[in-house]
Amino acid sequence: EVQLVESGGGLVQPGGSLRLSCAASEFTFSDPYMDWVRQAPGKGLEWVGRIRDKEHSYTTEYAASVKGRFTISRDDSKSSLYLQMNSLKTEDTAVYYCARNMRLGATRGVAFDIWGQGTMVTVSS
Amino acid sequence: DIQLTQSPSFLSASVGDRVTITCRASQGISSYLAWYQQKPGKAPKLLIYVASTLQSGVPSRFSGSGSGTEFILTISSLQPEDFATYHCQQLNSYPLTFGGGTKVEIK
Repeated sequence: EVQLVESGGGLVQPGGSLRLSCAASEFTFSDPYMDWVRQAPGKGLEWVGRIRDKEHSYTTEYAASVKGRFTISRDDSKSSLYLQMNSLKTEDTAVYYCARNMRLGATRGVAFDIWGQGTMVTVSS
Repeated sequence: DIQLTQSPSFLSASVGDRVTITCRASQGISSYLAWYQQKPGKAPKLLIYVASTLQSGVPSRFSGSGSGTEFILTISSLQPEDFATYHCQQLNSYPLTFGGGTKVEIK
């Protein structure tokens, strides 16, 4: 079954760090762009950032709210995606989802077709 | 940033009803819009991409239309399993953004 499984969430104090992982299975992980999306309790979805593939030098994009604090990386040999979160704030409290980018022909990123189940991050003292 | 405004934010409907949800973009996004369904405690599920293409496995009662700045998700005959929250997303430019969501509840 094609799936993504996140791990690494938990409780962390403000100013702390956390690293989330997303393990992929049953698809060629090296091909698609991959994204992180978060959802604060009772709120809507917020895009966090994207990492492109090796062909595009693994370049990244970030939401303004996390730029400079969060870093997205991937290890294609391990079919894994990562989100390093530093200088965490209370407003970073959310369920974090990894998601696979869907391509339509040569066009990348037309939708997120596979999502993980999410991992909860709570930033609180 | 491109803002997406969904309306209504809340909708009460009965099984069998035709339901429409609108997503308006603050600037043109061509057809780079996707719709997702989310049930409580679950991840979003892709329904529609590039505004009007039905994702594989999604029932045909779901349809999408629009381009530019106005988009519509239609459920032709609401089923019990369709009670959920629906989100639109633009993938035209960074930062990618989502609408505020539309919660569809049972009347």
